[in-house]
Amino acid sequence: DTGVSQNPRHKITKRGQNVTFRCDPISEHNRLYWYRQTLGQGPEFLTYFQNEAQLEKSRLLSDRFSAERPKGSFSTLEIQRTEQGDSAMYLCASSQAMNTEAFFGQGTRLTVV
Amino acid sequence: KNEVEQSPQNLTAQEGEFITINCSYSVGISALHWLQQHPGGGIVSLFMLSSGKKKHGRLIATINIQEKHSSLHITASHPRDSAVYICAIRYSGAGSYQLTFGKGTKLSVIP
Repeated sequence: DTGVSQNPRHKITKRGQNVTFRCDPISEHNRLYWYRQTLGQGPEFLTYFQNEAQLEKSRLLSDRFSAERPKGSFSTLEIQRTEQGDSAMYLCASSQAMNTEAFFGQGTRLTVV
Repeated sequence: KNEVEQSPQNLTAQEGEFITINCSYSVGISALHWLQQHPGGGIVSLFMLSSGKKKHGRLIATINIQEKHSSLHITASHPRDSAVYICAIRYSGAGSYQLTFGKGTKLSVIP
């Protein structure tokens, strides 16, 4: 297993465009998390999946954000009508159970121009 | 006030020095994580603690649940230890899925 994989690594988009990011967790991990990190800050929680069920969403996740994990394996995070404030690093993590080690992907760095 | 406070924010050390990074939190937790983030974004999990002390190579992590405080120590620091070190907590109680992160401590180790 190569760990948690995120694609793309970098994305530059014009304001108003839609973007979609993908996360492939470690294969036996049924828990998947999305976080957002802006410069100089720690990551902030966005949403959590247990298998295909989205069990928790942060208030940070506005109506323009949607996340899916259709078969309980990979997950996608879509941002519609991007704004400059969406520019950040989007991190995905997975874990096998609740209080076990979380493994992070390399992140997708989004720049909205 | 952030629920997870780290100190110092920035730390510069000479190669070989003993380094301590501190993390204080204000809520009940089920676990505390120490993570390392290199430039470019990738985060690596170093430790997960719920009590006591853990050691891995030159890294030692301790936690005092009563005082709501944890420390990460690096012995014989090396330039390759230069990174941002982040403390993260998981709240205790049902439905506590997420990690809440500190802002990180940027460590620079000079040869």
